Order: sequence, then structure tokens, then C-alpha cells
Amino acid sequence: DIQMTQSPSTLSASVGDRVTMTCRARQSISTWLAWYQQKPGQAPKLIIHKASSLQSGVPSRFSGSGSGTEFTLTISSLQPEDFATYYCQQYNSFPLTFGGGTKVAIK
Amino acid sequence: EVQLVESGGGLVKPGGSLRLSCAASGFSFSSYSINWVRQAPGRGLEWVSSISSSSSYIYYADSVRGRFTISRDNAKNSLYLQMDSLRAEDTGVYYCAREAAAYYFDHWGQGTLVAVSS
Repeated sequence: DIQMTQSPSTLSASVGDRVTMTCRARQSISTWLAWYQQKPGQAPKLIIHKASSLQSGVPSRFSGSGSGTEFTLTISSLQPEDFATYYCQQYNSFPLTFGGGTKVAIK
Repeated sequence: EVQLVESGGGLVKPGGSLRLSCAASGFSFSSYSINWVRQAPGRGLEWVSSISSSSSYIYYADSVRGRFTISRDNAKNSLYLQMDSLRAEDTGVYYCAREAAAYYFDHWGQGTLVAVSS
């Protein structure tokens, strides 16, 4: 199984901040990585696929980068609606695996 | 509009069974692979199972293989998860999720809660 590790587990930030979080894979997954946003009581929402491709309808302040084993999700200017938990997911091979999540909290 | 609506969750005793359903609408259901993903209370996401559009390819997480069975009925636009020999660690919200081009999920249902407890 490909273990996915996200850091930090919690990130405190203010509206307008630039925020970056990391996802690391135990082995190379090329760019077969997706990022999801989940708010309390809601289903996850796809924001990035293939490491850097922005899902349709997602604001351009979200961007993803990386390949191989290290990936980042950046929010260029944090908005109030962006406070949520973010999960990465590898789809290089089965079993599909998720990272443990990064919670973006209000500072 | 793409919609996925799960049902069938509830409280069940350890060792019991439950069948979850996911009703799809707003897209050509028979053209997409669909997955189950679960989330234990206060925890992260865990992929459970995947079924291809024609049911030719089926995959399971090790934690449920041999106990859970995924199936679909394309004529009814429905996905199912038969869960047997349930354990406390199976407790959580179960989501059905549509697979986009390749094993990531572009649409999710709202989830159905499964609680396994004596």
C-alpha cells in the first residue's frame, strides 16, 4: 500500500494569508494525486487532480504542484470559505489511499 | 445536475449485516466507475471499494475484503454495498463517489451513517 502523509496536521492562518500544505507519498506516484476540501458535516469536494489540474469551478487561488513523492497545495489568499480540512489522495495504484488531512483553522 | 444519494445506514450489532444503496441521477450512470469511501467519526477518509462501469473490475480495501460486496444495477442507476460480519471499526459515514477519468472522485453523495455497536 502507498502511505500518504500530510503536514502540518493543523495550520492556523488569517484571511488573506498565503497558505501551503504538503503531501508526501512513500513511493513515487508520478502525478496521480488529487486534493479534496471537506467542511464539517459535508462530503469532500474535489479541488485538484493530476497534481496540478484545477477542477472546473474551483477558484484560481487554489493551486497544486509536485510529482513523484512530494506535493503541495497552495491557497494564494485565504478566504473565509476556505477554512476546512484538506485531504490528498493517490490514485497511482490500488488500494487507493488518502492522507490524514490538514485542517486550516482561523488564527 | 449530478446527484448521488446514499441510504440504508443505521445501527447494527457486531457480526450483523447491512446493505447500503446509492441512487444516481443527472449523468450516464452506466458509463462511470463508482466507489465507496468511508469516514470514521472524527477521522480521515478511507477508500473501501470500487466497481467499474460494467462490473468487470472490482476492488476492495484489505480491511473489508471477504466481508463486503459491491455491486451495481445500471438499469436502476443504483450502486450497492452489502456489508456482512460487521465490526465496531466499520462505524462511520459511508459515501458513494463517482470516479472521474482515473480513480479520483469528482462527485460525492452526502453520506449515510453506519454504527456498529452492541
